[in-house]
Amino acid sequence: SQQGEEDPQALSIQEGENATMNCSYKTSINNLQWYRQNSGRGLVHLILIRSNEREKHSGRLRVTLDTSKKSSSLLITASRAADTASYFCATDASGSARQLTFGSGTQLTVLP
Amino acid sequence: GAVVSQHPSWVICKSGTSVKIECRSLDFQATTMFWYRQFPKQSLMLMATSYEGSKATYEQGVEKDKFLINHASLTLSTLTVTSAHPEDSSFYICSARDSGGAWDTQYFGPGTRLTVL
Repeated sequence: SQQGEEDPQALSIQEGENATMNCSYKTSINNLQWYRQNSGRGLVHLILIRSNEREKHSGRLRVTLDTSKKSSSLLITASRAADTASYFCATDASGSARQLTFGSGTQLTVLP
Repeated sequence: GAVVSQHPSWVICKSGTSVKIECRSLDFQATTMFWYRQFPKQSLMLMATSYEGSKATYEQGVEKDKFLINHASLTLSTLTVTSAHPEDSSFYICSARDSGGAWDTQYFGPGTRLTVL
């Protein structure tokens, strides 16, 4: 079942601007991951943040996690046209199988 | 990094036929693999969890007799869509967990686009 909700559903910005996407979830998690998907393609893993972490950086990406609010945000700084894609958060809840539950996704369009 | 392949990358079939999709972990062993389905402009929905050497577990609402899963080796899981119908047309994505790696890391395949006419 879908656990995460993301907002906005769609985001359009100019190249060079920052893009912020938010993800909310419902149950306790072990970690939260962000993925990117270009149209009709597979998933690219961007970053994983564990439940005991509050912030993580990777290049132009910054992820925050607030377990008290059950929410996370992904910030892409200095966006490029090549960042145009759908972005999904995915939560890894308790359970031995380590199943991921994906959010609804944000479609990001970066205009040149 | 770890690589997961899927075959075929796309398939078109007639209604009523069965289609088999393969998911392979190329450079690691995977006791657990996952199958997802994604409809256009929607998110990924977990269909089932595949375990090497035992029965898969299916998510609520997914018919196990329609979506047959076989995970006969540590590097291969197959999903067979039986008696496919147009409503089964979708993007099917698998992922695999590295049995010898970090417990929280999954590697995704590139997906298989199924079109049922």
